[in-house]
Amino acid sequence: DQQVKQNSPSLSVQEGRISILNCDYTNSMFDYFLWYKKYPAEGPTFLISISSIKDKNEDGRFTVFLNKSAKHLSLHIVPSQPGDSAVYFCAADDFGNEKLTFGTGTRLTIIP
Amino acid sequence: DVKVTQSSRYLVKRTGEKVFLECVQDMDHENMFWYRQDPGLGLRLIYFSYDVKMKEKGDIPEGYSVSREKKERFSLILESASTNQTSMYLCASMLSGAGGTDTQYFGPGTRLTVL
Repeated sequence: DQQVKQNSPSLSVQEGRISILNCDYTNSMFDYFLWYKKYPAEGPTFLISISSIKDKNEDGRFTVFLNKSAKHLSLHIVPSQPGDSAVYFCAADDFGNEKLTFGTGTRLTIIP
Repeated sequence: DVKVTQSSRYLVKRTGEKVFLECVQDMDHENMFWYRQDPGLGLRLIYFSYDVKMKEKGDIPEGYSVSREKKERFSLILESASTNQTSMYLCASMLSGAGGTDTQYFGPGTRLTVL
């Protein structure tokens, strides 16, 4: 049973425009959420996170929004750059559990 | 900077061989993890360890075992490799924190092909 879902396997966005990546979860015990970025032949790297006590966290061009009632989070990238082309994974954690549950990933392609 | 290294970037083995994947981290992290990444399936947790000589099964432990004799080193073992274990294997480490607020740091991955 997939507790963290990324329903869009791929997304193409024009350079300079906004990229919006979505993630849904089913486990109401999740209280911390992370986004990772992965280039081919490399390990994932941490991008941004958000605690369930917040609904927004911003870091430069990256903003994560959390809607707890809808069990939905999204990653906004503005403006999108060619170097943002990668696979993005969302992940979720619940308090006291050191494990992360990952989504299936969304491949983002930025078109120059 | 946290550094997580994996012994091989690419590995080709034959069905039935015993395979060892090694992972080393240099930041004194208590927690270490092994995942496999497959297209359309994301990252799936195989095993993790929260201390030396301690291990816990993840979501897909069948066909795998692990060893953690030293804090910095976590090994994944395929006792008898099969073709369905062809995958990208990723190791990660994490400092043991107040539950859920620490990020995992990943190694570069090992692309294993079993023929």
